[in-house]
Amino acid sequence: IAGITQAPTSQILAAGRRMTLRCTQDMRHNAMYWYRQDLGLGLRLIHYSNTAGTTGKGEVPDGYSVSRANTDDFPLTLASAVPSQTSVYFCASSDFTSGRYNEQFFGPGTRLTVL
Amino acid sequence: TQLLEQSPQFLSIQEGENLTVYCNSSSVFSSLQWYRQEPGEGPVLLVTVVTGGEVKKLKRLTFQFGDARKDSSLHITAAQPGDTGLYLCAGERYYGQNFVFGPGTRLSVLP
Repeated sequence: IAGITQAPTSQILAAGRRMTLRCTQDMRHNAMYWYRQDLGLGLRLIHYSNTAGTTGKGEVPDGYSVSRANTDDFPLTLASAVPSQTSVYFCASSDFTSGRYNEQFFGPGTRLTVL
Repeated sequence: TQLLEQSPQFLSIQEGENLTVYCNSSSVFSSLQWYRQEPGEGPVLLVTVVTGGEVKKLKRLTFQFGDARKDSSLHITAAQPGDTGLYLCAGERYYGQNFVFGPGTRLSVLP
């Protein structure tokens, strides 16, 4: 089934540890996104990539890094996790064309708890 | 401060009732999207509105974009338990740019 997969589904992590959240899409979309979702705050954009080889900062990028080596994969890394990074993380992709609004397809999410 | 506000935050109604949820901002958007999210899943796009004053219908759901493109509403007629979920609006500030999301309205439709 075409779509977006995320791994792991959930994770409990000790503060200070490094963690990479994985995201893979098979729709050949050029744009990919990472959001975090916190109660009462909705979805906030962490980082995005409009095409393979390029990335950009979103609304809340501090403490996170991304890479886009190819079209399909967009991993999110927490270099040294802190409790405030406890959240549900969603990866999304879209067939982005400059000048046109785009539909984002979301993955099932990763629930991360940092203790 | 949220760029997009949604109201009400929570709504619990009986099956068959009508309801309206709102998405408001002081900013102008080039387009606005509505998503529905069910527990344990990612959001799924319902509709995109682009033109000020535009009205779109999706079965029992009616979406309207404000004339000034600063706000939007979602009206559900004869709500059903299957409508239960978190409804999110997302505004695009400039064409081709990233969307900003509102905090959502959590709807519960009781049988």
